[in-house]
Amino acid sequence: DTAVSQTPKYLVTQMGNDKSIKCEQNLGHDTMYWYKQDSKKFLKIMFSYNNKELIINETVPNRFSPKSPDKAHLNLHINSLELGDSAVYFCASSNNERPQHFGDGTRLSIL
Amino acid sequence: SQQGEEDPQALSIQEGENATMNCSYKTSINNLQWYRQNSGRGLVHLILIRSNEREKHSGRLRVTLDTSKKSSSLLITASRAADTASYFCATDADDYKLSFGAGTTVTVRA
Repeated sequence: DTAVSQTPKYLVTQMGNDKSIKCEQNLGHDTMYWYKQDSKKFLKIMFSYNNKELIINETVPNRFSPKSPDKAHLNLHINSLELGDSAVYFCASSNNERPQHFGDGTRLSIL
Repeated sequence: SQQGEEDPQALSIQEGENATMNCSYKTSINNLQWYRQNSGRGLVHLILIRSNEREKHSGRLRVTLDTSKKSSSLLITASRAADTASYFCATDADDYKLSFGAGTTVTVRA
């Protein structure tokens, strides 16, 4: 069974569109994260939720809005997509200081 | 900003050889973690070393931590083709927040 699953795996869309990426974890972890990995493989934290409460909100355009309906799910909605949003977005989960478990990523390409 | 920086950026070795990569960071940490990323996949945790530890082993992996130099190294012994991947260090300075470097890409030639 996949521990952290993201959908979709690939997302190709036009500039200006709105899209969502979904993430679910079945590990019983309290904390979930969204990361962005650029073409040079830099991995940067965007958001983190602990028990549905936002605890990390890095400098990210407000076109990006995370939503956590329960502690097993963390979705990412992106409005008015721009070319610079093209990247791989990773969801992860953990319990406190324990290592993070990552999904396989959503490859977002903006045309 | 990136906290950790890996060195070298890329490494190519023959199967059976050892691979060593280094990570330097800037601020005080609670722990340092190493992750592996295979092409097209997510990151997989390899090993965590706490700030009061100097060395840790896990199978063919050996990690050292020198907090006075703010640096860590990851050694993979007797490399295999399956070790071909990117390796990232991540520092944990604040609760929940990991800061990753840009990674070292390791290619193991058969």
